[in-house]
Amino acid sequence: AQSVTQLGSHVSVSEGALVLLRCNYSSSVPPYLFWYVQYPNQGLQLLLKYTTGATLVKGINGFEAEFKKSETSFHLTKPSAHMSDAAEYFCAVRALRKLTFGTGTRLQVTL
Amino acid sequence: DTGVSQDPRHKITKRGQNVTFRCDPISEHNRLYWYRQTLGQGPEFLTYFQNEAQLEKSRLLSDRFSAERPKGSFSTLEIQRTEQGDSAMYLCASSVTQGAREKNTEAFFGQGTRLTVV
Repeated sequence: AQSVTQLGSHVSVSEGALVLLRCNYSSSVPPYLFWYVQYPNQGLQLLLKYTTGATLVKGINGFEAEFKKSETSFHLTKPSAHMSDAAEYFCAVRALRKLTFGTGTRLQVTL
Repeated sequence: DTGVSQDPRHKITKRGQNVTFRCDPISEHNRLYWYRQTLGQGPEFLTYFQNEAQLEKSRLLSDRFSAERPKGSFSTLEIQRTEQGDSAMYLCASSVTQGAREKNTEAFFGQGTRLTVV
């Protein structure tokens, strides 16, 4: 079985500040890990993914995430927040052919 | 547009009515998924197809729900005798497999169908 825990349902940062969204997972098999972004009334857009290999993965819009097996974590970061980053972010683990999502973190970016 | 397409985008229905949603996956994607997302929650897996075969159904998929993918291309999700608890966003996703493995290891999502049961 697999599960995802996203710490913090709401995160607020100032424009230009560091973004850190936390994700911890559990999986009975080696996981594939994903971060998706969702804008209001829209579907999910893939930001980045970890499958195998390099543990630091870079995605779109300046986001990156680091897979830490010892901590079972896959936190999402961005050095400098932009107003357009305001959205809902979902961490997901894929095992046994389907995705299991966390409950999401709403990112607010203030001036 | 060559992405995953869902129709309709919004549906308002009265309790007890039947509704049907359609999903057109990315061309040549042989795997198709349905998820449900309620307010403030992440998407929850409902079912998936490999070509026309429905290979797995979640226990969330009660007997009022049925999904089909008759020719291995588009899929429909029908909800019979809708209840207010069925109000949610229904998301479709597709991916491509190569043998037993997903070639790109990622699923591409449609814009979703938002169902409101009144």
